[in-house]
Amino acid sequence: SQQGEEDPQALSIQEGENATMNCSYKTSINNLQWYRQNSGRGLVHLILIRSNEREKHSGRLRVTLDTSKKSSSLLITASRAADTASYFCATDNNAGNMLTFGGGTRLMVKP
Amino acid sequence: ETGVTQTPRHLVMGMTNKKSLKCEQHLGHNAMYWYKQSAKKPLELMFVYNFKEQTENNSVPSRFSPECPNSSHLFLHLHTLQPEDSALYLCASSQGSRGTNTEAFFGQGTRLTVV
Repeated sequence: SQQGEEDPQALSIQEGENATMNCSYKTSINNLQWYRQNSGRGLVHLILIRSNEREKHSGRLRVTLDTSKKSSSLLITASRAADTASYFCATDNNAGNMLTFGGGTRLMVKP
Repeated sequence: ETGVTQTPRHLVMGMTNKKSLKCEQHLGHNAMYWYKQSAKKPLELMFVYNFKEQTENNSVPSRFSPECPNSSHLFLHLHTLQPEDSALYLCASSQGSRGTNTEAFFGQGTRLTVV
């Protein structure tokens, strides 16, 4: 069953603007991860935030985690056309060695 | 290059054919996964192997048969598939510590079309 759900499903912005994507999940987690996928290719890991962390930064990426609301957000600052891709959150629900992915947000950054 | 290689990249097969997808990782990981990605659907976990043992079979039809001969190689044997099985099949690997997941490394996927 689907654990994470991203919102919005699609997002279109201009280059230089910030992009915010949200993820909600249902069960308790060990950590939450964000991945990026270019069209028809494999997923690439972006950032991992553990359940005892509230915020994490990596370059232009900022991830927040609110375990009380079972939600996370991914912020991409100063977006570039090359950021155009689908972004997925994934949760490790401590039920075993597996990740469950959401449906993803398709981000388009217009030059 | 993520260190996870899938072959072939594209595959077209008839419903009566038998084919296999191959995945190889050079990262020293102990866990390997098969995911199915269909259009407009979330990524679906199919199988998980941890230290060569299958630890998860997510209600996958028997026409999909995984094989993990060692920690570096994973196969997905396909037999008597249906057109609705057409999808992008993704292989991934991770370190494999139970209960403390780390990041997964994905291959580029095999685009499968069943005709």
